[in-house]
Amino acid sequence: EAGVAQSPRYKIIEKRQSVAFWCNPISGHATLYWYQQILGQGPKLLIQFQNNGVVDDSQLPKDRFSAERLKGVDSTLKIQPAKLEDSAVYLCASSRAPYGYTFGSGTRLTVV
Amino acid sequence: SQQGEEDPQALSIQEGENATMNCSYKTSINNLQWYRQNSGRGLVHLILIRSNEREKHSGRLRVTLDTSKKSSSLLITASRAADTASYFCATVLATDSWGKLQFGAGTQVVVTP
Repeated sequence: EAGVAQSPRYKIIEKRQSVAFWCNPISGHATLYWYQQILGQGPKLLIQFQNNGVVDDSQLPKDRFSAERLKGVDSTLKIQPAKLEDSAVYLCASSRAPYGYTFGSGTRLTVV
Repeated sequence: SQQGEEDPQALSIQEGENATMNCSYKTSINNLQWYRQNSGRGLVHLILIRSNEREKHSGRLRVTLDTSKKSSSLLITASRAADTASYFCATVLATDSWGKLQFGAGTQVVVTP
């Protein structure tokens, strides 16, 4: 079984620029998550999709972050404009209840 | 504040020793999961324990759950250098029908040869 694919692996941008991350979940996994992990902290959920519908985006800073999941498969997370505090690893995960999540390797974002 | 809190924050042991880390949480759960994260990598699922279970084993891993104390422990027996990683507990609340995971801050484990 192929894992969760994420790209790019690394990204460095200047503040106020925009950036987008891509995620391809495991085939057949209906639930997709985006997490933000700041250095030294545990992952924090940004948004959860069930198929192509949003079920929880309560911690997504909607003034600058947006996410979509096209046709219930791939997903993109966008930040526009980026701030210094957005520097983090952005993790995508998918799951098929009642099992645990499968995480991708993440995108390490540095905002300078 | 985070639902799960790991203790200790950091742990340094020698190969062959056992490593124990604890997780406490605040709100009733449906299940609790442990994950491992190697430096710069994604998280790897280790074990899921449901609220009606008390103990689970997987290879050298043993997880216990005490719902009366709202706590869980992860034991790694006969540790190896390859076990060096950060370990996170994560909970799914009993009231959450969507299975959202809430993570603690993690325990950083260093195993020296």
